[in-house]
Amino acid sequence: DSGVTQTPKHLITATGQRVTLRCSPRSGDLSVYWYQQSLDQGLQFLIQYYNGEERAKGNILERFSAQQFPDLHSELNLSSLELGDSALYFCASSDSLETQYFGPGTRLLVL
Amino acid sequence: AQSVTQLGSHVSVSEGALVLLRCNYSSSVPPYLFWYVQYPNQGLQLLLKYTTGATLVKGINGFEAEFKKSETSFHLTKPSAHMSDAAEYFCAVKGAGYSTLTFGKGTMLLVSP
Repeated sequence: DSGVTQTPKHLITATGQRVTLRCSPRSGDLSVYWYQQSLDQGLQFLIQYYNGEERAKGNILERFSAQQFPDLHSELNLSSLELGDSALYFCASSDSLETQYFGPGTRLLVL
Repeated sequence: AQSVTQLGSHVSVSEGALVLLRCNYSSSVPPYLFWYVQYPNQGLQLLLKYTTGATLVKGINGFEAEFKKSETSFHLTKPSAHMSDAAEYFCAVKGAGYSTLTFGKGTMLLVSP
């Protein structure tokens, strides 16, 4: 158990809908990272937050957004969902900026 | 810019045989290197990491990796494979500070009895 929690574990929705994925980092970790894992793209870095502020952006679509709240939990919002958005979404957290610890992931299926 | 190449999307070994998973990286700054393991339907678990210092790094479950700067490699090894080692393994690289983590495409390790 990494200490990073993610909810929900599974999510099934329809095209065009909007969903919110939630992540709670390990106690004391200020950084939160979001990744998307799919069969064709592999593990792709989406976005990083550090103590509430956006720190780095990767291959995140404009339809996707994230935020980190004062209690350090983070949410990833996915809107206007398409079939191709079906994937595993991972959250990771770190304290020292060296090592990232991953949550169990949210499996999103868009029908 | 940084990148990771993992040679072989699938590696098959027999139980008790040597495990060797290859990872080559490119980085414009001194790299931090990581190996993660992902069991089916689970998240990524850190196996081991290299930041600075000793180039031979020991991790969990009997795995180790050696950072070879001249070869830009960070191959993962285990002397004797166990059935429970069957999983997908990811090599990753980052620079110091706020740089992001870049993953390889992963290598699925298959262990046969």
